[in-house]
Amino acid sequence: IVLTQSPGILSLSPGETATLSCRASHSINSGFLAWYQQKPGQAPRLLIFGASKRATGIPDRFSGSASGTDFTLTITGLETEDFAVYYCQQYGSSWTFGHGTKVEIK
Amino acid sequence: EVQLVESGGGLVKPGGSLRLSCAASGFNFQYYAMHWVRQAPGKGLEWVSSISSTSSYISYADSVKGRFTISRDNAKNLVFLQMNSLRTEDTALYYCASPQGGSYYDPFDHWGQGNPVIVAA
Repeated sequence: IVLTQSPGILSLSPGETATLSCRASHSINSGFLAWYQQKPGQAPRLLIFGASKRATGIPDRFSGSASGTDFTLTITGLETEDFAVYYCQQYGSSWTFGHGTKVEIK
Repeated sequence: EVQLVESGGGLVKPGGSLRLSCAASGFNFQYYAMHWVRQAPGKGLEWVSSISSTSSYISYADSVKGRFTISRDNAKNLVFLQMNSLRTEDTALYYCASPQGGSYYDPFDHWGQGNPVIVAA
């Protein structure tokens, strides 16, 4: 399963809403789609699993949704610590990551 | 507290071998699948290999199949990645990761700090 993330780079200001897309080439078993955040020099952090469930300790400004093979991560009210690279991952049929979306400060 | 600590990386010539280790603590390791993920410099995440809790199920990315071998020692809470016939394109930071609920097909909720592998002449 190939995951295509868009856009590659998203330039936004703090307080704005970020909408990140992840499209799967085939349907994903049981919605096994996760989102990770990675900051420079750090390991990835799990944000969302099962397409829409927040991981432990993740603020509610992060939300995930799904429609068929299209998945969306929404960050409502960007805070400065949210500027990072975001990856989607499917874990239902082997494991695949998207190429990432960088959310940068405008 | 869950901790994953990788070791064994370094500089190696093309065609050489390295063995990465990941020491796990803070959870019931023997019941958890484990995974290796790598990240080439300036690039995205690439899943490499996975092993189930009892080693019954093992998977590899096509890019490493036939060259890398994953294994584990549940008595010592260790998972290994034996890397043979290394290529320059294997240069990356290698992370071990544990799944959220322990199952083979769970998302990865704990990660090590990463261990660099550099393949160069």
